[in-house]
Amino acid sequence: NAGVMQNPRHLVRRRGQEARLRCSPMKGHSHVYWYRQLPEEGLKFMVYLQKENIIDESGMPKERFSAEFPKEGPSILRIQQVVRGDSAAYFCASSPLGPGELFFGEGSRLTVL
Amino acid sequence: QQQVKQSPQSLIVQKGGISIINCAYENTAFDYFPWYQQFPGKGPALLIAIRPDVSEKKEGRFTISFNKSAKQFSLHIMDSQPGDSATYFCAASGPGSGNTGKLIFGQGTTLQVKP
Repeated sequence: NAGVMQNPRHLVRRRGQEARLRCSPMKGHSHVYWYRQLPEEGLKFMVYLQKENIIDESGMPKERFSAEFPKEGPSILRIQQVVRGDSAAYFCASSPLGPGELFFGEGSRLTVL
Repeated sequence: QQQVKQSPQSLIVQKGGISIINCAYENTAFDYFPWYQQFPGKGPALLIAIRPDVSEKKEGRFTISFNKSAKQFSLHIMDSQPGDSATYFCAASGPGSGNTGKLIFGQGTTLQVKP
């Protein structure tokens, strides 16, 4: 029973490029959460999705960031026109029911040059 | 009102000692309080969690103490071992965070257990 799978694990982009981070939740989980972790800081909530729906995007920056969780395939966090301040670890978590334990992936570490 | 404040930021404990990490929350509508453990380069993993209907929960060497009136909860690691060296995050969720299951995390505590 595979855990939450994130890829790529490491991504390097130059300023102005696009970053796409993918997350496959655990089998049977239909709730996906994205978090951002800056160096030496805690995890900040970004967005909560269910299949084909964004439920809560209160933590997403208003510009350049978007997320989706299509009917088929992984959830994707997309960052357009990346800036150095976007450099962080992005974690995806999934749960079967919503409230309760969240299962985290190992993260995607984005470095913007 | 959605903040969770965690202290200390870092902690050094001798092997066999007790590690204590504290968290405070503001929103009384939170009803689920987990602790997550994170090793370098890895994702957070659930360690232990508590709901406000009990004041203490123990699992092996790990204990959560919960004080509802003070809006505080703490993690105690008994007989701390070098393998416990990691970053620990407290969190909260429930109607206080929109009842979506999203966790509001504390800032984290880096624990080092010296042999």
